Amino acid sequence: EDQVTQSPEALRLQEGESSSLNCSYTVSGLRGLFWYRQDPGKGPEFLFTLYSAGEEKEKERLKATLTKKESFLHITAPKPEDSATYLCAVREYGNKLVFGAGTILRVKS
Amino acid sequence: DSGVTQTPKHLITATGQRVTLRCSPRSGDLSVYWYQQSLDQGLQFLIQYYNGEERAKGNILERFSAQQFPDLHSELNLSSLELGDSALYFCASSVDSLNTGELFFGEGSRLTVL
Repeated sequence: EDQVTQSPEALRLQEGESSSLNCSYTVSGLRGLFWYRQDPGKGPEFLFTLYSAGEEKEKERLKATLTKKESFLHITAPKPEDSATYLCAVREYGNKLVFGAGTILRVKS
Repeated sequence: DSGVTQTPKHLITATGQRVTLRCSPRSGDLSVYWYQQSLDQGLQFLIQYYNGEERAKGNILERFSAQQFPDLHSELNLSSLELGDSALYFCASSVDSLNTGELFFGEGSRLTVL
């Protein structure tokens, strides 16, 4: 069965302490990997799309990278407003988006 | 604001009952997706409609059904409700049916079944 696994489940950082979130996947026919951010009580908000190994995308303090088996979301010098749940999703043949369980990020000032 | 509107925001009902959740997609978006999010299951894809037609089906129970109307709004009907159906139900929309991954989510309808 196709799977998307995110780690760690939760991450606590001090403001300015850089770190990375991991998303590993086992899907046949990957047709894209996506990162979303979800704030409490809100719907997920689209961040990045990655299609091929070696691809990188950046947005403010976030950078997403992709290999053949996993993706990383690097957070550089995070601020408290970066606190959220970060979801990874993969698109497979059949156009279904499969989401991981997410990583809950808390950044303390 | 994603532009996707979901009603109601909160709904409390009893087991065995039936409810309808409503979704208005972003202006110009033809695809509507329904997702269920619970604490133990994460975000689960239920069903997708494109311009009124069903395009993809996920782990949607037979007790659940959906449709997309000519004005592109969509409704998710949940019947014979069970305690385990308590969850957040999200609607999302996108421009096309190819499910590029860039979905715009509403704020969800929180269903509590007592």
